[in-house]
Amino acid sequence: DVKVTQSSRYLVKRTGEKVFLECVQDMDHENMFWYRQDPGLGLRLIYFSYDVKMKEKGDIPEGYSVSREKKERFSLILESASTNQTSMYLCASSTRQGLNEKLFFGSGTQLSVL
Amino acid sequence: GDSVTQMEGPVTLSEEAFLTINCTYTATGYPSLFWYVQYPGEGLQLLLKATKADDKGSNKGFEATYRKETTSFHLEKGSVQVSDSAVYFCALKSGANSKLTFGKGITLSVRP
Repeated sequence: DVKVTQSSRYLVKRTGEKVFLECVQDMDHENMFWYRQDPGLGLRLIYFSYDVKMKEKGDIPEGYSVSREKKERFSLILESASTNQTSMYLCASSTRQGLNEKLFFGSGTQLSVL
Repeated sequence: GDSVTQMEGPVTLSEEAFLTINCTYTATGYPSLFWYVQYPGEGLQLLLKATKADDKGSNKGFEATYRKETTSFHLEKGSVQVSDSAVYFCALKSGANSKLTFGKGITLSVRP
């Protein structure tokens, strides 16, 4: 069965800390994505990657960076966490299927920044 | 740019009621349209999709028809169950190399 695994379900950090959110997929997918989900705002794309060591900014990249050193792993980094980064973070992956692209999502990490 | 507009929620229905969740879109070209569902405590999963005008996507009793003339992709189910309680997201993809654009999502609660 297809699987996208996020390392933590809940995370509590302090303002100014450097935070790493990890995501691993076991489907040999080329594409990986990081979204944040907020009430009333839906899903917003932070960063995505189409291949190892490749990254592209999404709609809200400010305050975030990413790393993709291996095909199966895509890390989201909050360089200096702030309270407005408290959110649910969702990782997703997909194969290159063009218009038929189907995303597989992890269960999410609820991050609280105090 | 591309955008997806979903009706305001939340929606609360009794079991066996008829469900309609509205979704309209703005896109360049001819997008593919999707409905994703997020059950409590889980990530999103694809519910159904349609890739061209007049296509009907269906899954688990849910249906949605790609209406190009009204730029809509409304989700319907004839008889909802308590287990359908979830958040539903409409989404589109307007090019092979473009990203998925999601609507804001709507929470459906079905009471016994």
